[in-house]
Amino acid sequence: AQRVTQPEKLLSVFKGAPVELKCNYSYSGSPELFWYVQYSRQRLQLLLRHISRESIKGFTADLNKGETSFHLKKPFAQEEDSAMYYCALGFQGAQKLVFGQGTRLTINP
Amino acid sequence: DAGVIQSPRHEVTEMGQEVTLRCKPISGHNSLFWYRQTMMRGLELLIYFNNNVPIDDSGMPEDRFSAKMPNASFSTLKIQPSEPRDSAVYFCASSLAGSSYNEQFFGPGTRLTVL
Repeated sequence: AQRVTQPEKLLSVFKGAPVELKCNYSYSGSPELFWYVQYSRQRLQLLLRHISRESIKGFTADLNKGETSFHLKKPFAQEEDSAMYYCALGFQGAQKLVFGQGTRLTINP
Repeated sequence: DAGVIQSPRHEVTEMGQEVTLRCKPISGHNSLFWYRQTMMRGLELLIYFNNNVPIDDSGMPEDRFSAKMPNASFSTLKIQPSEPRDSAVYFCASSLAGSSYNEQFFGPGTRLTVL
């Protein structure tokens, strides 16, 4: 069965420190991985996807098929990064998404 | 574009009552998704439609839940009868299937409380 695991429900770091939000997945097929983010009082929105290999708001994520991971990283955290982050696995042509439980990231000043 | 529109934003009802949640997808999008978010189970896909046709309803918890999409600009999720364990935030999302990476755009959600 398809599954996404985000081991940390809460993560707190200081401004300027590096950030890594962990995501592991379980899927026998070829995965498509996404990170979605929900800022306070805003809608859930796409942050980045592995296939485009892009950096958005300083965040990057590399798909590691050997470790079945898709960790989200940023070298220097900013206060506006405080939000809820969800890792998602796409299949059925990426139409169907399975979400992890989410990690609430808090950046302390 | 106002994005995905959901109504009502908040709903409080009593056990046994019928609840209808509504969603208007982004104009031009041909896929629509209903999700439920709870503390225990996180964000779960309930059902999704392509071109108004239900494709996968394996996430619908039981027969008390039903969803329809009578046209490309409107969908409903109905719970009848409602139970306290149905209390959750229900999200609707839409996408343009076949576009780059099928990005899903989410609505603001409906917070349902069943007493």
